[in-house]
Amino acid sequence: SQQGEEDPQALSIQEGENATMNCSYKTSINNLQWYRQNSGRGLVHLILIRSNEREKHSGRLRVTLDTSKKSSSLLITASRAADTASYFCATIGLNDYKLSFGAGTTVTVRA
Amino acid sequence: GAGVSQSPSNKVTEKGKDVELRCDPISGHTALYWYRQSLGQGLEFLIYFQGNSAPDKSGLPSDRFSAERTGGSVSTLTIQRTQQEDSAVYLCASSLAPTGYGSTDTQYFGPGTRLTVL
Repeated sequence: SQQGEEDPQALSIQEGENATMNCSYKTSINNLQWYRQNSGRGLVHLILIRSNEREKHSGRLRVTLDTSKKSSSLLITASRAADTASYFCATIGLNDYKLSFGAGTTVTVRA
Repeated sequence: GAGVSQSPSNKVTEKGKDVELRCDPISGHTALYWYRQSLGQGLEFLIYFQGNSAPDKSGLPSDRFSAERTGGSVSTLTIQRTQQEDSAVYLCASSLAPTGYGSTDTQYFGPGTRLTVL
């Protein structure tokens, strides 16, 4: 079953703009991870944020985590056409090891 | 180094036939996972192998699904008597260290096998 929900379901932006997507989850977590998927195939790991962390950066990516609201956001700055993909958040629960995925956000970056 | 590999990349089969999907994890990774991605269900966990421990099969949708991992490396997911609802992309992932509860180890995914059941 899906642990989280992502918002929006789809996002279309101009190259150079920022893209923000949100993820909410239901149960307490050990960590939350963001993945990217191109063309419905393999998932590429982007970033992992632990439950005791509030913000993390990796290149043009910024992830925040609010455990009190059970939510996370992924910001992609200065987007490029190559960022066009589906983005998924996934959580690992406190007593778990398997990823529970959200439904994903489809991002289209227009040149 | 090499990532997770899966074969075949695409498989088309007729309803009622058996299929085998293969996963080669990253060398040295002791944990291996199978997930399924389908239109109706999104991404869902199927099965987990960790070293020599008994696998966690809690995500397998029916007894037509089984998996094994030989020698702590290669894994095979078998679907017997395939049904149209089995059509999906089957994804394999592996992670480095023994992953107990509350794992923070990154799971690295393979490219997936797209299964189509006619």
